[in-house]
Amino acid sequence: AQKVTQAQTEISVVEKEDVTLDCVYETRDTTYYLFWYKQPPSGELVFLIRRNSFDEQNEISGRYSWNFQKSTSSFNFTITASQVVDSAVYFCALTSNTNAGKSTFGDGTTLTVKP
Amino acid sequence: AAGVIQSPRHLIKEKRETATLKCYPIPRHDTVYWYQQGPGQDPQFLISFYEKMQSDKGSIPDRFSAQQFSDYHSELNMSSLELGDSALYFCASSPGTGGFYEQYFGPGTRLTVT
Repeated sequence: AQKVTQAQTEISVVEKEDVTLDCVYETRDTTYYLFWYKQPPSGELVFLIRRNSFDEQNEISGRYSWNFQKSTSSFNFTITASQVVDSAVYFCALTSNTNAGKSTFGDGTTLTVKP
Repeated sequence: AAGVIQSPRHLIKEKRETATLKCYPIPRHDTVYWYQQGPGQDPQFLISFYEKMQSDKGSIPDRFSAQQFSDYHSELNMSSLELGDSALYFCASSPGTGGFYEQYFGPGTRLTVT
């Protein structure tokens, strides 16, 4: 069985602060993929990043960075110098071949960035 | 680039009515997934299709049925609607089945049952 845990239900920060969203996953598969999605109030799921289980390289994209550590089964997401537009629900998700590719989502973290 | 298209974007139905949600995958994508996201919840997998055949099934009520057509578009049919069916329904497509392929999500259909 697969499981994704986002322990932080809600986070509130002031603009320009850095914030890290935690994601811990469980899977028996050796080949799997991890994702982060952003869901703004409008409701659509905005793809942010995809990482496969064989690539532990951390990634930076502008103010966003991701830290993938297989040893702790974690795939954390950091926003540097947060902005009000970053306010949204963020989901971490997992897919694997033996699970027919369907996505297992965490419960989501609601990020509020105050001006 | 073409994206996943879902129609309608918003739908209001009364209890016990039926609803049909449509999903048009990205061209050349042969796999479609349906998810249901209740208020304040994460998306939950309902059902998926690969090459017009059901490939996996999640927590989909018996009142719901779905299929994938020869042009790869998919329809989710929901009968005897209940208030608890009010949710955002996402369709996602991928160029193959299995976790190797990235899923591309549509904008969702917001169903309200009154």
